[in-house]
Amino acid sequence: QLQLQESGPGLVKPSETLSLTCTVSGGSIRSSNYNWAWIRQPPGETLEWLGSLHHDGSIFFNPSLKSRVTISVDTSKNQFSLKLTSVTAADLAVYYCARVVVASSGWVPFDYWGQGILITVSS
Amino acid sequence: DIQMTQSPFTLSASVGDRVTITCRASQSVSSWLAWYQQKPGKAPKLLIHKTSSLESGAPSRFSGSASGTEFTLTISSLQPDDFATYYCHQYKTYPWTFGQGTKVEI
Repeated sequence: QLQLQESGPGLVKPSETLSLTCTVSGGSIRSSNYNWAWIRQPPGETLEWLGSLHHDGSIFFNPSLKSRVTISVDTSKNQFSLKLTSVTAADLAVYYCARVVVASSGWVPFDYWGQGILITVSS
Repeated sequence: DIQMTQSPFTLSASVGDRVTITCRASQSVSSWLAWYQQKPGKAPKLLIHKTSSLESGAPSRFSGSASGTEFTLTISSLQPDDFATYYCHQYKTYPWTFGQGTKVEI
């Protein structure tokens, strides 16, 4: 059974960099059948797609975050990571990692999710 | 960005009711529309993708349909486990976007 697990600091100071890791178990992150993504959800609000890592190594970001976001992958550890620079109170949210199925009949978005990690921004 | 407008924001219903939630896209998303169910403190759960394809394990009382850029999620007979918040999501074009959510309450 595929499992995704987010890990990170929980509390980040304003202006610092948030670093999160998603560990995938029960499946290979290198499979050409899947892409991987980060999504966040501020308390009481809707979901926001942050960015996606495609199986071919290409990466796509939400322009709303401008140049603050980077996504990387460590295939040896079956992990992918998110870095968000210059955090502010507006970055307070639950951050999720999720899988996208890449199929010839069309993609299936976010069929598996991590449990989410609450990130608080405070000095 | 493609804007997704869901309605209603909140829906009050009873067990056994037929429930309909609507999502309108600001431009064409073809059939690349998904629906999720989310309960408090939990990650969203995929119910439907490609407008009307039921995700494996999702109950058959959930169905999806579309007319142009207006999409509908229908619950044929509301069950106690269905009281939750539902989100639509377009995945035709980056940045992928979500509706504001519809809370189904008793």
